Amino acid sequence: DTGVSQDPRHKITKRGQNVTFRCDPISEHNRLYWYRQTLGQGPEFLTYFQNEAQLEKSRLLSDRFSAERPKGSFSTLEIQRTEQGDSAMYLCASSLAGKGPYGYTFGSGTRLTVV
Amino acid sequence: DAKTTQPTSMDCAEGRAANLPCNHSTISGNEYVYWYRQIHSQGPQYIIHGLKNNETNEMASLIITEDRKSSTLILPHATLRDTAVYYCRHTGTASKLTFGTGTRLQVTL
Repeated sequence: DTGVSQDPRHKITKRGQNVTFRCDPISEHNRLYWYRQTLGQGPEFLTYFQNEAQLEKSRLLSDRFSAERPKGSFSTLEIQRTEQGDSAMYLCASSLAGKGPYGYTFGSGTRLTVV
Repeated sequence: DAKTTQPTSMDCAEGRAANLPCNHSTISGNEYVYWYRQIHSQGPQYIIHGLKNNETNEMASLIITEDRKSSTLILPHATLRDTAVYYCRHTGTASKLTFGTGTRLQVTL
């Protein structure tokens, strides 16, 4: 297993367009998390799944954001009608439930630029 | 989880020990202290965690004060590859991972 994979690594889009990011977690990990990171700040939690169930969503996750994990494996994060304020690094992480906040493995992120 | 206080930045000469402090005065009895780091353009990476006792692994040592209100992460022989942002947090085992702004460690020749 090569760790957590995210695709694409970089995305430039025009304001108002929709974008979708993909995350492939470590295969035996049943939890998957999405974070957003803006310049100079630490990552901010967006949402997480345990298997295919979305168990928690942050207030940061506006109606324009939607995340899915249809078969409990890979996940997608879609942003509709992108705004310049959506420009950030979007990080995905996976872990095993019960391991606590120490067993996370992060991907390298997708950097979104909205122009 | 509750917030922690870390210096914004620190410098360390290569080969010397890097000692990164963290204050967590509101930590609860069942909460762990944990550290992650983030090297530029990568996702955060787990370093170490502890409850009461000092801990050591292949990456670092964690020294927790007796009252558990503060801790120090020690990189015994810092290298240029240790230049990163280091995050210290505390939380219970069931909680999700959160981050503050961390300490930016610059290791220099």
